[in-house]
Amino acid sequence: AQSVTQLGSHVSVSEGALVLLRCNYSSSVPPYLFWYVQYPNQGLQLLLKYTTGATLVKGINGFEAEFKKSETSFHLTKPSAHMSDAAEYFCAVSDIWAGGGNKLTFGTGTQLKVEL
Amino acid sequence: NAGVTQTPKFQVLKTGQSMTLQCAQDMNHNSMYWYRQDPGMGLRLIYYSASEGTTDKGEVPNGYNVSRLNKREFSLRLESAAPSQTSVYFCASKDRGQANEKLFFGSGTQLSVL
Repeated sequence: AQSVTQLGSHVSVSEGALVLLRCNYSSSVPPYLFWYVQYPNQGLQLLLKYTTGATLVKGINGFEAEFKKSETSFHLTKPSAHMSDAAEYFCAVSDIWAGGGNKLTFGTGTQLKVEL
Repeated sequence: NAGVTQTPKFQVLKTGQSMTLQCAQDMNHNSMYWYRQDPGMGLRLIYYSASEGTTDKGEVPNGYNVSRLNKREFSLRLESAAPSQTSVYFCASKDRGQANEKLFFGSGTQLSVL
């Protein structure tokens, strides 16, 4: 079964500093990988996804992530943090698409705090 | 643009009471999901429905039942609520196809079982 591990349940950065949120996955087959963001009292929103093709994927709000098969990692980065980035971030892995019946397995989440 | 609509937003139950959480999507999506979110545990899949007329158990199905009433609606029922079911519940939907690998989430139902 696929799984993801997010290192660090809480990460704090200064405004303007680099954001790095770590995610490692376990999968017996080539995975689909995702980052979702959750703002307070809201549902999750997709930030970015890797399915096939280019291993560096860009998402919304200046975030990007790189799929590294050799390291089984899919870390999320943003060069310069903004106060509005404060939220909880979830890494997720999916079964290979098989006609729409796949499921996502989520990590435990990383709460990002951005300080002035 | 309603997207995924969940009702109610908040609910307090006593142990042993029953209730149904409602979910509807207006995006003509095939697949629908119910997750629960607990602190430090992320989101865990309760049940999912790959298409109208089918449902399958997820990671934590015990104590829950679901009904895929039609393509739009996917309800979650707690027959006899327990304090361990205190959680935030999210419904989500997804379209078919590799190009549509994106879950759309509702805004959640906060459930407390006393």
